[in-house]
Amino acid sequence: AQSVAQPEDQVNVAEGNPLTVKCTYSVSGNPYLFWYVQYPNRGLQFLLKYITGDNLVKGSYGFEAEFNKSQTSFHLKKPSALVSDSALYFCAVRGFGGFKTIFGAGTRLFVKA
Amino acid sequence: DSGVTQTPKHLITATGQRVTLRCSPRSGDLSVYWYQQSLDQGLQFLIQYYNGEERAKGNILERFSAQQFPDLHSELNLSSLELGDSALYFCASSSSGAGEQYFGPGTRLTVT
Repeated sequence: AQSVAQPEDQVNVAEGNPLTVKCTYSVSGNPYLFWYVQYPNRGLQFLLKYITGDNLVKGSYGFEAEFNKSQTSFHLKKPSALVSDSALYFCAVRGFGGFKTIFGAGTRLFVKA
Repeated sequence: DSGVTQTPKHLITATGQRVTLRCSPRSGDLSVYWYQQSLDQGLQFLIQYYNGEERAKGNILERFSAQQFPDLHSELNLSSLELGDSALYFCASSSSGAGEQYFGPGTRLTVT
């Protein structure tokens, strides 16, 4: 069975500092990995995905994520946080050849000015 | 704007009633997904359709059903509603099985 874990309910960071939102996964075979962001009263927005290839994936709004197969992790990163990055972030995983995408519980990012 | 539309935006109804939520996917997307988001349960996958056929099922209650029509829009039917069904219901679409999903703005259902 596939699963995804986001170990932190909330991440606090000061504006201008680097941020990391953690995600680990469990899936049979090669994974498809995704990050989404949700702003208040809005639907989820796609940020980036890893399917294959380079372990460092670049996405929207300056975000990037690093795929680590040995640690089964896919952490979301940004070199310099903005107050406007404050939102709820979801990691998601899907097994190769599978149809169901499983979402993590979400991590609330709070960026302080 | 993701290109996915959902109606209605808000719905208030009483316990025991039945409601229908509607979703129109992005132009060209064949896959439609339904999710339930509540404060204590997070984002729960309900069901997926691909070009009119059910493709995957998640934690969908027997009181809930869905379908995807030939024009690719989808409807989620919720019946015998309970207070615990109050939640945000999201529809998402994707162009392929491996692709990212694009989410609609959601329908907020309140059961009183």
